[in-house]
Amino acid sequence: EPEVTQTPSHQVTQMGQEVILRCVPISNHLYFYWYRQILGQKVEFLVSFYNNEISEKSEIFDDQFSVERPDGSNFTLKIRSTKLEDSAMYFCASSTYGAQYFGPGTRLLVL
Amino acid sequence: KNEVEQSPQNLTAQEGEFITINCSYSVGISALHWLQQHPGGGIVSLFMLSSGKKKHGRLIATINIQEKHSSLHITASHPRDSAVYICAVPPLGETSGSRLTFGEGTQLTVNP
Repeated sequence: EPEVTQTPSHQVTQMGQEVILRCVPISNHLYFYWYRQILGQKVEFLVSFYNNEISEKSEIFDDQFSVERPDGSNFTLKIRSTKLEDSAMYFCASSTYGAQYFGPGTRLLVL
Repeated sequence: KNEVEQSPQNLTAQEGEFITINCSYSVGISALHWLQQHPGGGIVSLFMLSSGKKKHGRLIATINIQEKHSSLHITASHPRDSAVYICAVPPLGETSGSRLTFGEGTQLTVNP
C-alpha cells in the first residue's frame, strides 16, 4: 500500500541553525500539508500546498518557515533559524479528495 | 474557528470491552476524520465520514452532523488497540485540501 515517507526520523540541531525536513507524498496525491505537534499538545496545522503554491498557512507559519516541492516527488519544510520552541514532531500529509494520509513524522529537537 | 472537544481524555479498559470515544465540535462541518496515533508518534487515518456510520473491522465510527457529534467505537478491544485516538475536522463546507483542526486526543489503554 502506498505511504507517505519522511526523513530524517529524528533531527537534533542547535538554535539558530537551518533545518530541512523532507517528505515524499503518495504519488497521485494533489494536496500536501505540514503539521506539527509539540510534546504533550495537540497536532497543529502549519501549511497546505496545492498546484505548486501555498494554499493556506497558519499564524505559526511565519517568515522563518518555507515549503518547496523541488521535483515531482519531494515536499520539504525549511526552518531558517531554529528556535527552542520549534522542538516538536513534524508531520507531512497528502491527500486527493478525501482522507489525509500522514507520514511517520520527524522529531526535531532544538538545543 | 472550530473548537473540537473529545471525551474522555483518558480511558482504561480490560481486553474484550466495548469502547466509546466521543467528539464534538462547535461549527458545522462537511466531514470528520478519526485518526490513531501510535505510541511511537505516527498517525494513521482510520475514517473520514460525512454522515451515518462507517465500519472497518472492529472499529465503527458514527456521526450526527446536526448535533455536531461523532463517536468512535471499538468492539472486543485488544491491548494492541492501545493508542491515542484523535478526531479532526476541516473548515465548514470543505472536505478536501483543507487544514484540519484537531482534538486533544483520547489516550486509550487496554489491559490484558
